[in-house]
Amino acid sequence: EAQVTQNPRYLITVTGKKLTVTCSQNMNHEYMSWYRQDPGLGLRQIYYSMNVEVTDKGDVPEGYKVSRKEKRNFPLILESPSPNQTSLYFCASKFPGGGTDTQYFGPGTRLTVL
Amino acid sequence: GNSVTQMEGPVTLSEEAFLTINCTYTATGYPSLFWYVQYPGEGLQLLLKATKADDKGSNKGFEATYRKETTSFHLEKGSVQVSDSAVYFCALSDRTAGNKLTFGGGTRVLVKP
Repeated sequence: EAQVTQNPRYLITVTGKKLTVTCSQNMNHEYMSWYRQDPGLGLRQIYYSMNVEVTDKGDVPEGYKVSRKEKRNFPLILESPSPNQTSLYFCASKFPGGGTDTQYFGPGTRLTVL
Repeated sequence: GNSVTQMEGPVTLSEEAFLTINCTYTATGYPSLFWYVQYPGEGLQLLLKATKADDKGSNKGFEATYRKETTSFHLEKGSVQVSDSAVYFCALSDRTAGNKLTFGGGTRVLVKP
């Protein structure tokens, strides 16, 4: 089954404790992206990657890091989480072009930073 | 920059009522337009899309027409069901902006039996 998976689905942590949220897709997509969803703000892009070893900042990259060492994986790293990073996070993937713009989303990771 | 504005919710309807969710956009290029739906506890799923002016996207009884002259992409459904209760997001993708998806704030729809 074609899908985007994220782990963990729920996470409660404390300020300053480094964490990683994993994202994996099995559709051989080149483009992957991370979003955060906050009430009334919709989804805002954190980082995206057009291909392996190519990453770029989105609209709200501060406090986050990403890496793209393999095509299927795109982990999101919070080196020193703060309470304002409490949010619902989504990973997404798609082919970069060719007339297919549909992004496929993972199930989400709800993060609470105390 | 690009932006999407959609009506705030929540929108509360009775079953079989007509649903309209307004969406307008601002874009520098020629965007593709999307409606995504998020059911409770789930990720976003593509509901429908339109890639050029006057295109109509449709799926599961929902429709939206790409109106370049009014920069709008309003979502409609003629007869909603309880199972349509969800959050609906209007979004655009602009190839001149790296295919980034720009989302509206989302509209929560609650359909009561």
